[in-house]
Formats: sequence, C-alpha cells, structure tokens
Amino acid sequence: RKEVEQDPGPFNVPEGATVAFNCTYSNSASQSFFWYRQDCRKEPKLLMSVYSSGNEDGRFTAQLNRASQYISLLIRDSKLSDSATYLCVVIRHTGKLIFGQGTTLQVKP
Amino acid sequence: DADVTQTPRNRITKTGKRIMLECSQTKGHDRMYWYRQDPGLGLRLIYYSFDVKDINKGEISDGYSVSRQAQAKFSLSLESAIPNQTALYFCATSDDGQIGYGYTFGSGTRLTVV
Repeated sequence: RKEVEQDPGPFNVPEGATVAFNCTYSNSASQSFFWYRQDCRKEPKLLMSVYSSGNEDGRFTAQLNRASQYISLLIRDSKLSDSATYLCVVIRHTGKLIFGQGTTLQVKP
Repeated sequence: DADVTQTPRNRITKTGKRIMLECSQTKGHDRMYWYRQDPGLGLRLIYYSFDVKDINKGEISDGYSVSRQAQAKFSLSLESAIPNQTALYFCATSDDGQIGYGYTFGSGTRLTVV
C-alpha cells in the first residue's frame, strides 16, 4: 500500500463546477500536509497548506482530518486555467516529502 | 533567474553512458533533494542532503549517485544509464527552518535513455 494515495482521475468537469479531491495517508506520525499543483511537463508548485481547522484561499479550500487520515481539496467555480494535476503531499517529522501520484483535473468549456 | 536551476533541461543518452544532472540554487537552503517522476507513480525520492556533509539514500537510489559540492550545488549521476531510468528528474530545496512551507522545485530535466 502506498503511503499517500490519490484517485488519479481524470476528473472532467464543466466550467463553473465544484470539484473535490481526496487523499489518504497511512503514517499517523505525518507532520505537515500540502497540496501542490503541477502543469503538464512543469515542476510542482505549492498551492496551499492544509490544516485541521481548514484553509481557504479564494476558490480553493483544503481540509485535514487527522482522525481519518485524509486530506481534501475543494475547488469552487472551476476555471479552464484550473486544469492541471493536483498532488497531495505529506511531510514526515524528518522533513521528507511523500507525494501522492496526483489527481488530474480537466475543466471543459 | 530561477531560484532552483537544473541543467540540462532535456537529454537523450545511450545505454551504458555516464551522465550527470546538475542543480544549483540561490535560495540559501541547506536541504536539497533529487526526485524522479514517472507516469502513474508520482515523484519518488532518489537522494537527499541536509547539508554539505550529509548525503542520504532515498527510496530508489540504486543506479544513482550524488555529490553535494557546495551548499548551492547538488549533482545527480547515472554511472551507466539504462532505459528504465528514462524519466523526468526534479531537484528541490527546502529550508529546515521553514519546513512547514514546502519545497521549491527546479524546472526539471527530461532524460531519455535509448
């Protein structure tokens, strides 16, 4: 079993839709959590941090559930420019990043 | 200039050849990493270094070696390239004082071994 698991998708949604991704992690000692965005053939870039209290940045909301060991990302009012792969990332207490395989989102006109 | 620079951006090499991928950073971070990305597998850690004198194997270090020449430079070598090392390689840095804020990645090196 992978330490960080995501549904690879692809998720195909129309513009304006709300879409949610989930990610589960197996190491309960994991310390920090993030969502990264990766455009095709480009480097991953930090999208947002994830906290138990929830974290909102414009149309994006991230949530951490430590008891169930999952992380979510909600995108409201999807734009064409949101099309990308979204990587769930977990940081161990040692500082090492563990990446999920990514969830691909395609927003259609 | 980019904070994390990788060279070359693209490389095609033959099986059995030695090849070096280079990474330099201007962020002043102590921690540097090499990852490879394959379709459907996400990013996997090859080697990492927490300072100039520290080198550690990641989850897939076989067939690779690294050199941390300075705080700003971390090179990855394939001593004898094989086709299943064809992948997208990323270098990344992090500041151990800012561990909660993630990493900065280079633009990647696309390596093809034929």
